[in-house]
Amino acid sequence: DTAVSQTPKYLVTQMGNDKSIKCEQNLGHDTMYWYKQDSKKFLKIMFSYNNKELIINETVPNRFSPKSPDKAHLNLHINSLELGDSAVYFCASSGHRGSAGNTIYFGEGSWLTVV
Amino acid sequence: EDQVTQSPEALRLQEGESSSLNCSYTVSGLRGLFWYRQDPGKGPEFLFTLYSAGEEKEKERLKATLTKKESFLHITAPKPEDSATYLCAVQGGTSYGKLTFGQGTILTVHP
Repeated sequence: DTAVSQTPKYLVTQMGNDKSIKCEQNLGHDTMYWYKQDSKKFLKIMFSYNNKELIINETVPNRFSPKSPDKAHLNLHINSLELGDSAVYFCASSGHRGSAGNTIYFGEGSWLTVV
Repeated sequence: EDQVTQSPEALRLQEGESSSLNCSYTVSGLRGLFWYRQDPGKGPEFLFTLYSAGEEKEKERLKATLTKKESFLHITAPKPEDSATYLCAVQGGTSYGKLTFGQGTILTVHP
């Protein structure tokens, strides 16, 4: 069973379109994240939700809107896509954010290409 | 702001040639230092968490160590299947669980 699964794995779309990436975890974790990996392979956090509550919102354009319907799901919606949004987006999850050194488990990634 | 720098950016080894990867960090109140392995087209795969200076952890041919300023990932007698990008990340005291990553070291092991 896949612990953190995200769909779609590959997404090619035109500038100006709106798209969503879905994420689900079956680890029983209460914290979920979205990370972005750019062309230089740097992984940077975008958002974090704990029990459906937004707790981390890094400097991300407001065209990006996360939504957490329950603690096992965290979706990422992107409006008015731009060329610079092309990247790999990783969903991740961990146990309670307050616990020291909680391991964060990652999904397989969603490759977004904006043309 | 938490910062992580990994070196070298790329490392080529012959099979059986042991070496080390370095991760230098600055963090406010270290809660954990993490090592991940990432294969092409895959997500980061968890390897180790180190919590305090002096701690060491081992897994097969890998051994991670931690000081107050850096961590090393030692690879003993590597095999071609150890080829991957190795990522280091820190979790600080005020980070609400988020990880700050280094840029990674691309390891290639030739048979």
